[in-house]
Amino acid sequence: DTGVSQDPRHKITKRGQNVTFRCDPISEHNRLYWYRQTLGQGPEFLTYFQNEAQLEKSRLLSDRFSAERPKGSFSTLEIQRTEQGDSAMYLCASSPIQGQYFGPGTRLTVT
Amino acid sequence: RKEVEQDPGPFNVPEGATVAFNCTYSNSASQSFFWYRQDCRKEPKLLMSVYSSGNEDGRFTAQLNRASQYISLLIRDSKLSDSATYLCAVHQAGTALIFGKGTTLSVSS
Repeated sequence: DTGVSQDPRHKITKRGQNVTFRCDPISEHNRLYWYRQTLGQGPEFLTYFQNEAQLEKSRLLSDRFSAERPKGSFSTLEIQRTEQGDSAMYLCASSPIQGQYFGPGTRLTVT
Repeated sequence: RKEVEQDPGPFNVPEGATVAFNCTYSNSASQSFFWYRQDCRKEPKLLMSVYSSGNEDGRFTAQLNRASQYISLLIRDSKLSDSATYLCAVHQAGTALIFGKGTTLSVSS
């Protein structure tokens, strides 16, 4: 499978715990994006990497959130001290130049 | 005003019907436009890019009207398998896609 992959697919955590998600983009795509989607909403942009450089962050990305793409390949998104409002689908997408291709997402439930 | 707006529907149509969705955007500097399809609890999948000249892919036709700041998606001869949520996305200066909330289509036999 040469598409975008994400791990884990589902995560249930207790409020206050830290969680980390991984995204492996399509190998020839140098742009990588993180989005968050809640029920009834479209995906909302969180952050963007070109190669290993984090070039843009949304105001949605509070200081509890951090993302890395250390070698310009896979990326991680960490949420510290999770809150119930963090419950959502976290989507990763990669892009050549036009259009973005999404992974299957990580569904986070904070109890 | 939301940056990208769509009628949430649902649009309930019989098989074989023609259905059209519109999406309006507020930023006139928007540069690229896309339609995505999203099935329940799945990721969005790129359906079509939208060009000023309009573009067609089989039963699907997308159009862009820059003057009125809207894009449209027309589906002809609807199939049961077309049932999904259709998201429009707008790419402004910079890199993020701005999505609408999606329009739900239900095709019945």
